[in-house]
Amino acid sequence: TAGITQAPTSQILAAGRSMTLRCTQDMRHNAMYWYRQDLGLGLRLIHYSNTAGTTGKGEVPDGYSVSRANTDDFPLTLASAVPSQTSVYFCASSDRQNTEAFFGQGTRLTVV
Amino acid sequence: GIQVEQSPPDLILQEGANSTLRCNFSDSVNNLQWFHQNPWGQLINLFYIPSGTKQNGRLSATTVATERYSLLYISSSQTTDSGVYFCAVKSNTGKLIFGQGTTLQVKP
Repeated sequence: TAGITQAPTSQILAAGRSMTLRCTQDMRHNAMYWYRQDLGLGLRLIHYSNTAGTTGKGEVPDGYSVSRANTDDFPLTLASAVPSQTSVYFCASSDRQNTEAFFGQGTRLTVV
Repeated sequence: GIQVEQSPPDLILQEGANSTLRCNFSDSVNNLQWFHQNPWGQLINLFYIPSGTKQNGRLSATTVATERYSLLYISSSQTTDSGVYFCAVKSNTGKLIFGQGTTLQVKP
């Protein structure tokens, strides 16, 4: 089973450009999450979605937007990238609200 | 929002030693998970443990939800146990919040 797939694996992006990080899961999980991981700061929640059609802000939502048009996909968009958005981005999903979450392999983004 | 604190932040062990990692959280939670991030950055699920005790080989975990803490025990540590250990809790709004992690180094 594929589980959660993130794309691209890594990317170098010029400041000011836009980019969408893709996340797809094939487990029919209701909830999905986006995190960023910076050295020494652990994983911080950017946005989340408890079910298709709904989204919520996490701990560090500024500069990012998400959509949840269907159950399987949860793209994260940077409208105008800045160097402080250089990070490793992880997507996760879980079946109902109170069950185990599983993570993708991450996307390493460098904004120059 | 809910706060998650892990201790110790860093831990160095000799191979074969035992250790206990702690996770404190500030509010009632609906679930709690422990993860291991290996040196390649992959997040590995260790335990889903909203309450009670679970064991998996040399690892075990206990969550006392009423007292808002969880413990991860590693016995007879091996060099392959090295990495960062995270706990994460889910609030009643659905947010899954991580602690800052414990970085473990096991020396041969």
